[in-house]
Amino acid sequence: DGGITQSPKYLFRKEGQNVTLSCEQNLNHDAMYWYRQDPGQGLRLIYYSQIVNDFQKGDIAEGYSVSREKKESFPLTVTSAQKNPTAFYLCASSMGTRAYEQYFGPGTRLTVT
Amino acid sequence: AQSVTQLGSHVSVSEGALVLLRCNYSSSVPPYLFWYVQYPNQGLQLLLKYTTGATLVKGINGFEAEFKKSETSFHLTKPSAHMSDAAEYFCAVRHGNQGGKLIFGQGTELSVKP
Repeated sequence: DGGITQSPKYLFRKEGQNVTLSCEQNLNHDAMYWYRQDPGQGLRLIYYSQIVNDFQKGDIAEGYSVSREKKESFPLTVTSAQKNPTAFYLCASSMGTRAYEQYFGPGTRLTVT
Repeated sequence: AQSVTQLGSHVSVSEGALVLLRCNYSSSVPPYLFWYVQYPNQGLQLLLKYTTGATLVKGINGFEAEFKKSETSFHLTKPSAHMSDAAEYFCAVRHGNQGGKLIFGQGTELSVKP
């Protein structure tokens, strides 16, 4: 079955540690996105990538980094510079910039203490 | 700049009653509009979308939405609520110039009472 996988589902880290969230898709989609979700705030875009080896900052990129070395993969690193990293992180993909809808993975809940 | 406003962070209906979730948008270009549903601790699932053409769009699970340009609205409706409809619903507008970026509303949590 085609889809988007995110792992792990739950992640716990100590403050000051970097952590990398995985996102893989087998939909052959060109574009991929990372969102952060906090209660009552909807979804906010962290980074997005339209093609391999290229990505752009979203609205809240500070404290995060990404890479896009393969079409299928778009990992997100939450660095120690992110002041409030505890959140639900969602990865999405779409066929391309002319495509309309985005398809979402199941999410990773990150808790930093 | 595009934006989305969902009126009401919580909506409660009885099973069998009409569901109406409100969404207003602002956009400087013809909008592409979406409704997504999210069950607890899960990702978002596309319910329906409006791109061009017919302004009344039908989606999955019996939901539909009507694009009203004059009112800048895209309200989501379902004639008869089921218990399984209890979830959070997000309205989104596609940004015209930034790589397919979606701008989301704050979300509306729908509760369904037996």
